Amino acid sequence: EAGVAQSPRYKIIEKRQSVAFWCNPISGHATLYWYQQILGQGPKLLIQFQNNGVVDDSQLPKDRFSAERLKGVDSTLKIQPAKLEDSAVYLCASSSGTSGGLGQFFGPGTRLTVL
Amino acid sequence: QQQVKQSPQSLIVQKGGISIINCAYENTAFDYFPWYQQFPGKGPALLIAIRPDVSEKKEGRFTISFNKSAKQFSLHIMDSQPGDSATYFCAASTSGTYKYIFGTGTRLKVLA
Repeated sequence: EAGVAQSPRYKIIEKRQSVAFWCNPISGHATLYWYQQILGQGPKLLIQFQNNGVVDDSQLPKDRFSAERLKGVDSTLKIQPAKLEDSAVYLCASSSGTSGGLGQFFGPGTRLTVL
Repeated sequence: QQQVKQSPQSLIVQKGGISIINCAYENTAFDYFPWYQQFPGKGPALLIAIRPDVSEKKEGRFTISFNKSAKQFSLHIMDSQPGDSATYFCAASTSGTYKYIFGTGTRLKVLA
């Protein structure tokens, strides 16, 4: 079974530029998550999708971050404009989202550096 | 109340020793507690998980101990190996939301 795929793996941009990350979840997984992991910290949930609907985006900085999940499969996370404090690893995870609490499976992440 | 507090921040253990990482939570609605292992440059990988209806769960060298009354749970790594050197995260969630709150992580180093 293929895991969660993410691209690009690394990205370096100047502040105020825009950037987009792509995620392809495990086949059949209804729930998709985007996390931000700042160096030395645990992952922090940015947004959670159930199929192609948003379940929770309470911690997404909506003035600069946006995300979509087309047709309930792939997802993109965009930052526009980027700030220095956005430097982090952006992790995508997916789960089958059934019977409460089945494990979330993470992709390798995209390491973003904002200069 | 949504926080999960994890300790220690870092841990050094001799090969063959026992590594113990502790987590505490406040929200009594949490009912699923996974542990993740993360190697540098990789995403977190699910290691083992427990629900509060049991006090202990063991998988190979990894054991979760759960104390519902104290609202604490811990990961024990028996016979620690250098290959176990990684960052470990505890997390907590509630059934139905599948939303994880992660601890701050413990960097484990096992000396050969």
